[in-house]
Amino acid sequence: AQSVTQPDIHITVSEGASLELRCNYSYGATPYLFWYVQSPGQGLQLLLKYFSGDTLVQGIKGFEAEFKRSQSSFNLRKPSVHWSDAAEYFCAVGAGNDMRFGAGTRLTVKP
Amino acid sequence: ETGVTQTPRHLVMGMTNKKSLKCEQHLGHNAMYWYKQSAKKPLELMFVYSLEERVENNSVPSRFSPECPNSSHLFLHLHTLQPEDSALYLCASSQEIRLAGVDEQFFGPGTRLTVL
Repeated sequence: AQSVTQPDIHITVSEGASLELRCNYSYGATPYLFWYVQSPGQGLQLLLKYFSGDTLVQGIKGFEAEFKRSQSSFNLRKPSVHWSDAAEYFCAVGAGNDMRFGAGTRLTVKP
Repeated sequence: ETGVTQTPRHLVMGMTNKKSLKCEQHLGHNAMYWYKQSAKKPLELMFVYSLEERVENNSVPSRFSPECPNSSHLFLHLHTLQPEDSALYLCASSQEIRLAGVDEQFFGPGTRLTVL
């Protein structure tokens, strides 16, 4: 069965600084890969997804992610973080009828 | 209404109560899902419905009973719950379930359930 690991439980960055959130997955083939964001009291919102093709994926709100098959990784990046980006971020892997989420990374943004 | 809606947003119930959570999607999707989100744990996929038929049940206790009367509505019937069932219950929908993997999902805001 597939699994997803987000090694960082909590990350703090200063506003305007760059951001990278890590995600590693375990699956026999290339699954569908997703990044979702959840603000307090809200459901999850899709930031971006990778199904196939170009390994650098652009998403909403200025986020991008790069799929690296050799490292089984799908890290999320943003060049300049805004205070409104403070939230919880989830990496997810989809295959068959199943969807597995990582435990999430909570992002705090310092002024 | 647009997107995925869930009612109620908050629910407090005793262990002997029977209650139901409701989810409605206004996106014309064919697949719907229930997830459980507990503190400090990954989201757990509970049930998957495609075209109103259950296609996945991830070993969920029988005190949780889903119902999908049509492609727009999904219910989660609750009875004799335990305090450890307290969590945020999220509903999601997607256009379809592809053979090679699930499609992107659209989530509702969730129902915060507290079992006393």
